[in-house]
Amino acid sequence: DTEVTQTPKHLVMGMTNKKSLKCEQHMGHRAMYWYKQKAKKPPELMFVYSYEKLSINESVPSRFSPECPNSSLLNLHLHALQPEDSALYLCASSQRPNTQYFGPGTRLTVL
Amino acid sequence: KQEVTQIPAALSVPEGENLVLNCSFTDSAIYNLQWFRQDPGKGLTSLLLIQSSQREQTSGRLNASLDKSSGRSTLYIAASQPGDSATYLCAVRREYGNKLVFGAGTILRVKS
Repeated sequence: DTEVTQTPKHLVMGMTNKKSLKCEQHMGHRAMYWYKQKAKKPPELMFVYSYEKLSINESVPSRFSPECPNSSLLNLHLHALQPEDSALYLCASSQRPNTQYFGPGTRLTVL
Repeated sequence: KQEVTQIPAALSVPEGENLVLNCSFTDSAIYNLQWFRQDPGKGLTSLLLIQSSQREQTSGRLNASLDKSSGRSTLYIAASQPGDSATYLCAVRREYGNKLVFGAGTILRVKS
C-alpha cells in the first residue's frame, strides 16, 4: 500500500483562527515532508522530519508549526495565517533517500 | 544553488503521438531524479525514479533517461492518450539531505 492520506481535503479559515492539517502513512517510512504549492507553481519544501525529528525547516514563518507525534503521523498547526498563505499543502513520505510518495493535499483558503 | 528547468512549459499533441519532455539541472551532484505527474488540484503521483548511477528507467509506456554529467533527463511517453493530460514535474535530490528541488513543470494536453 503506497498511500499517504491527508485531512481535511479543504479548509477555510479566518486570520485569527487556529487549525491543524493531518497527514498519515503506514508504509513504515521514516522521513515525512510538508510542501506548499501555489497555483501553477511547483511544490516548495517547508519541513522535513527524519525519524520523528525535525531535520529541515526552510525558513518557514512561525505561524506554521509542524509536529510529528509518531512515525506514522505528521501534523501542521496553523495560527494567525495571512491570505497569501492560501495554497495546496502537500504531505509526502519516503524511505530515505528513495521515492517520495505524496498525499492528495489540503486546499487551504485564508479569508 | 541547484536550479531545475523544464522544457517545453506546455505541449499540445494529438492522441497517439510519441513525445519527449525535457528536464535540465545545474548541479550534477545529485543522488537521484524523480518524475511526477500532477492532475489539476491533486497531489503528485510518482512515475519513475532514476538513481544517479543509472541511465534509464522504464514503466509501461514511459521511459526516463538520465545523463548526470550533462545535467539532463528526458521523459519519453509512447503512444500518448488523452488520459496522459496532466502536468509533469521533474525533481532532483542532492547527494546529501532529503530535499527535492522541482522544475516548474510541463503542462501536457493530449487531444482525442
